[in-house]
Amino acid sequence: QKEVEQNSGPLSVPEGAIASLNCTYSDRGSQSFFWYRQYSGKSPELIMFIYSNGDKEDGRFTAQLNKASQYVSLLIRDSQPSDSATYLCAVRRALGGSQGNLIFGKGTKLSVKP
Amino acid sequence: GAGVSQSPSNKVTEKGKDVELRCDPISGHTALYWYRQSLGQGLEFLIYFQGNSAPDKSGLPSDRFSAERTGGSVSTLTIQRTQQEDSAVYLCASSLRLGASGTGDTQYFGPGTRLTVL
Repeated sequence: QKEVEQNSGPLSVPEGAIASLNCTYSDRGSQSFFWYRQYSGKSPELIMFIYSNGDKEDGRFTAQLNKASQYVSLLIRDSQPSDSATYLCAVRRALGGSQGNLIFGKGTKLSVKP
Repeated sequence: GAGVSQSPSNKVTEKGKDVELRCDPISGHTALYWYRQSLGQGLEFLIYFQGNSAPDKSGLPSDRFSAERTGGSVSTLTIQRTQQEDSAVYLCASSLRLGASGTGDTQYFGPGTRLTVL
């Protein structure tokens, strides 16, 4: 089982719709969860981080974390063509062992159609 | 500087040559990380540094890879006797400090170095 799994997509949504991106992880003791956006040929940029169960909202973005089910999701409301990118889910390991690095999923490619 | 910087932005080398990649983290960030991203693959952790502690090298794929961080700031990733499978984008990230809560934990990425081994 891969440590962080995402559907590779592409996920295609019409402009103005809600895009829902999902991620599951295998390390039950994971502490920190991040969503990065990566445009083609560019480096990842942070969208949101979440540490606690529940929802966290920032503008059009909402991150949802469910530690019992080991999944984290990202909702993008009122999707825009400029949101078209690959979205990377990243999980930081629990304390102990390699606790600093992030474990990344392979990303979900999102395409927002005008 | 305002963000993480890396140099060179592109590097083309011949198989068997050594290469050095440089990363300059955000000022004041004590934690520095190296990742690589191959075509169609996710980001793969290589090594991280936290302050003056011994680096975590658990992600280095072979002993041809090494990294150092001088003065707690700039880091150099060295790949000896490069192979074609080393071709990838090498990304450096920094965070305020390792394991910090809130935004201190967040890793910010540089623009990357695209390495091509012919």
